[in-house]
Amino acid sequence: GAVVSQHPSRVICKSGTSVKIECRSLDFQATTMFWYRQFPKQSLMLMATSNEGSKATYEQGVEKDKFLINHASLTLSTLTVTSAHPEDSSFYICSARDPSGAGNEQFFGPGTRLTVL
Amino acid sequence: AQTVTQSQPEMSVQEAETVTLSCTYDTSESDYYLFWYKQPPSRQMILVIRQEAYKQQNATENRFSVNFQKAAKSFSLKISDSQLGDAAMYFCAYTGTASKLTFGTGTRLQVTL
Repeated sequence: GAVVSQHPSRVICKSGTSVKIECRSLDFQATTMFWYRQFPKQSLMLMATSNEGSKATYEQGVEKDKFLINHASLTLSTLTVTSAHPEDSSFYICSARDPSGAGNEQFFGPGTRLTVL
Repeated sequence: AQTVTQSQPEMSVQEAETVTLSCTYDTSESDYYLFWYKQPPSRQMILVIRQEAYKQQNATENRFSVNFQKAAKSFSLKISDSQLGDAAMYFCAYTGTASKLTFGTGTRLQVTL
């Protein structure tokens, strides 16, 4: 199957700083990528849909000024958590849809654990 | 809005036995896909099996099979000959015309010797 990478896998930052997480599709071009947040022992919550060359679509309740998403190329989407606070600590997962693949399948990155001190 | 419900927070199965995980969903769309994803302790999401709504035949992938009941909006996962490596969180998921995934709350599967 298609491969999606995420970097970094873990990040610890101080409150008030910004953190950027990268999501890359390694062997296919992804016109659409998705960003999820997952709290411990809970399901994945979709934060936003990232479309190459256009603005991201945010889910209700997600602050777009706090979680900046950029999809500058067909293989890279970034999520920047601005002015991070301890409540932003979570596990962030990206996924990408391969438009040439069958069945609307999304391929997931390995996730990024963000800890804000 | 579409919803996905997994009513079993935890399940346990003995090695080599069979277990069925339940999932129901609600949608007004006629064209959609359903998935089961596995999330082991590494937290990497792994696709287990996929079902297209327009296909009447239940999907199978080796030891994994589904029971897709479209009228009842039910999509259960059967794991045969369970192995220790099957222990994980299992998420049922739906995607329709919007192309975004809606996940259930998950079922934690424990495999015992």
